[in-house]
Amino acid sequence: EDKVVQSPLSLVVHEGDTVTLNCSYEVTNFRSLLWYKQEKKAPTFLFMLTSSGIEKKSGRLSSILDKKELFSILNITATQTGDSAVYLCAAAGGTSYGKLTFGQGTILTVHP
Amino acid sequence: DTGVSQDPRHKITKRGQNVTFRCDPISEHNRLYWYRQTLGQGPEFLTYFQNEAQLEKSRLLSDRFSAERPKGSFSTLEIQRTEQGDSAMYLCASSHLGSPDTQYFGPGTRLTVL
Repeated sequence: EDKVVQSPLSLVVHEGDTVTLNCSYEVTNFRSLLWYKQEKKAPTFLFMLTSSGIEKKSGRLSSILDKKELFSILNITATQTGDSAVYLCAAAGGTSYGKLTFGQGTILTVHP
Repeated sequence: DTGVSQDPRHKITKRGQNVTFRCDPISEHNRLYWYRQTLGQGPEFLTYFQNEAQLEKSRLLSDRFSAERPKGSFSTLEIQRTEQGDSAMYLCASSHLGSPDTQYFGPGTRLTVL
């Protein structure tokens, strides 16, 4: 059965800190790894990664994929209170071209 | 706003009642997905459509659940004889055939079964 595991489950930091969120996956016929940010509403798409070692960046957020070790990390530098959210990792693969398998999420709290 | 929309946003019902939710995907997206999310968990896949065809259903989708996308545009998810365990956020997402894995989510319908 496909599985995605995120760590830590929760993280509390102060503004300006840098955080690293982890995601490991076991998905047959893996195709891509996605990161979403979820505040008290729908998950918002951040990144999709398909190739190992290629960093994707968007402002203070960056992410990289390691297909050999089956994990991805999401980095957030110079955190702000607006970064407080649940960060979800999801993997696409298998015989389905529809299903995303999500991790449990990491709850990030940024204090002023 | 051209994002995914869902209606209603909240639904409170009594056990045993039937409920129906609607999802309108992004207009040029031909794939539509339903997920269920409970507190403290990531979304769990329920089913998806490509145009009007339902291509996959999770084993989570019991026979009390049915989804349709009759004209390949909006979709409905119906739950019959609701149970307290059905209480969850029901999320709809859509994607373009050219990038099927990049799914964009709607705001969700929060169902509470009393």
